[in-house]
Amino acid sequence: DQQVKQNSPSLSVQEGRISILNCDYTNSMFDYFLWYKKYPAEGPTFLISISSIKDKNEDGRFTVFLNKSAKHLSLHIVPSQPGDSAVYFCAALAHFGNEKLTFGTGTRLTIIP
Amino acid sequence: SQTIHQWPATLVQPVGSPLSLECTVEGTSNPNLYWYRQAAGRGLQLLFYSVGIGQISSEVPQNLSASRPQDRQFILSSKKLLLSDSGFYLCAWSGGRYGYTFGSGTRLTVV
Repeated sequence: DQQVKQNSPSLSVQEGRISILNCDYTNSMFDYFLWYKKYPAEGPTFLISISSIKDKNEDGRFTVFLNKSAKHLSLHIVPSQPGDSAVYFCAALAHFGNEKLTFGTGTRLTIIP
Repeated sequence: SQTIHQWPATLVQPVGSPLSLECTVEGTSNPNLYWYRQAAGRGLQLLFYSVGIGQISSEVPQNLSASRPQDRQFILSSKKLLLSDSGFYLCAWSGGRYGYTFGSGTRLTVV
């Protein structure tokens, strides 16, 4: 049962344009969402997060949007840079549950110079 | 500051051989610790987590086991490796605003 889904396994975007990565979840108990970035042969690193009490969080070139009614979140990267090429994982957490992160399957983003 | 160490970085083992991967955390006490695996083309699958010394919870039945002999040490083991155990293994600890902090990972290839 995949509670967090990233339906696009890969995405290619031209340098300078906007990259939009999508994530859907099914568990209504999730109240905190995170995005991680992973380069090959390295551990994932934290990118940005959002609490369920918000619908948007912005940090530099990265913005995460949360639509609770649709159980959908998205990560926007603008402008996209070659160094953004990586696998991006969406993750969700239920603070009043077991507090374990549930990860999506990841989206491989390739920025085309 | 908190750091997490994981070794070895790469490992090639024959089928049927034993496995021991080690993870240690510095700069924090009584962390929650996790072992994840990323198989080829797959997402991050939680294998084990631990909330304290000797306390291990298994998420999926498999050929692996975990132990926590000390507060900041987490070990992933197998008595006999299978080809399907190949993958990228990640140790993590939880705390703070970043959710989890991950180690650098171990690439295991079973041949």
